[in-house]
This record gives sequence, structure tokens and C-alpha cells, in this order.
Amino acid sequence: NAGVTQTPKFQVLKTGQSMTLQCAQDMNHNSMYWYRQDPGMGLRLIYYSASEGTTDKGEVPNGYNVSRLNKREFSLRLESAAPSQTSVYFCASSPLQDFNQPQHFGDGTRLSIL
Amino acid sequence: AQSVTQLGSHVSVSEGALVLLRCNYSSSVPPYLFWYVQYPNQGLQLLLKYTTGATLVKGINGFEAEFKKSETSFHLTKPSAHMSDAAEYFCAVSGGAGNNRKLIWGLGTSLAVNP
Repeated sequence: NAGVTQTPKFQVLKTGQSMTLQCAQDMNHNSMYWYRQDPGMGLRLIYYSASEGTTDKGEVPNGYNVSRLNKREFSLRLESAAPSQTSVYFCASSPLQDFNQPQHFGDGTRLSIL
Repeated sequence: AQSVTQLGSHVSVSEGALVLLRCNYSSSVPPYLFWYVQYPNQGLQLLLKYTTGATLVKGINGFEAEFKKSETSFHLTKPSAHMSDAAEYFCAVSGGAGNNRKLIWGLGTSLAVNP
């Protein structure tokens, strides 16, 4: 069972470059999330998508855009990368957009911006 | 406002000893509570959750947690630590009401298990 798949696993960018982080889930979940994880700061929600066709800002959306391409896929785009965006990015999904439900996580994308 | 506090960013125990990871929360509505585990270079996995009903919740890998409303706590325990339990543990609370409901994460506790 693949669950939540994130690509790439590692990436190094230069300041000002753009890139898209990909996420796909095969559990037929309606809701998907993007988090960033930084030392000493825990998990912070960037954007989420309650269902196909909808997206909403989370706690730290500045500098990011998202696309819910279909029910399976939810991508995160950095238009002009900054060193402050160096982090580990996690995609997660849940059956419904109900924060009472457990979330299923991918293994993360480790992004370094020089 | 909802919040989660995990006491102790690092906990070290000996193999076979009791594991106790502390989590206190604040919530304006009856909370849903979660513990997740993160092994090195992996994503988070659900260990256990409390929704309603029985306050002692059993999870995977021999872990359990008890919801204590009067103490606003949801501490995670395991009677006997194993080397494979070394990981980062996150407590989370689903708080707020209606459209303001969201998942609040603790900062995590890193568990080291010594032989």
C-alpha cells in the first residue's frame, strides 16, 4: 500500500528559483494538507484542501501556492524560493476535512535553499 | 485559544523502563486528542487517538494514553521501552468550533532509549 507519496524526497534550490512539490494519495481521501516541519517549531500547516476543487490557507501560507489537481493529487509551489523556506515538507490526507480525523502522512521532502 | 504543551523536548529512558511522555492541552470544546510517532527520515504515523468514551486509549506498539479532563492532560505511556521506540513523538489536539476547528500540534518530544 503506497498511501501518501511525495516527490522529490530531496531538493536543493538557489534563492529565487521556483519548484513544485508533488503529493499523491491512493486512499480515496477527500482532504489533503501541506505542512512544514522546522526544528523547535513542530508542524505548521501551510495550506489544505477540504475537497477536490477547494483550497484554504493554513497558518503559514506566505510564499506558497497550491493546486488540488484532482482527488488524488495536491501540489505545493514555491514561486521564488527564499532561504527561510528551507524545511522538511510533509503532505498528509484524511477521509474528510474534519480535524477530528487522523491524518496519513507521506515521508516528506527535504528542501534546502541556498 | 487552543494550545498543546509537551513537557520535555528530550526524554531518555533505559531499555525495559517505563516510558512517560507528557501532553497538556487547552480547548474551549471537548477535544479530540492524538499521539503521532515519527521515526527518522519518515512521516508521522498515528499511535492512538481519543475521541469520546473510554478515557484509557490503547494504541499500536504497546503504547497507551489516558485522557484526564480535570487535569487537561493526555500523557502517553508504555510499560517497557524497547530500542525501536526511539523516535519523535507528537501530541495534537483538535479544538475550536465549527469552521474554526483546527488541529493544534505540540512541538514534539524526542525519545532516546539506552541499552
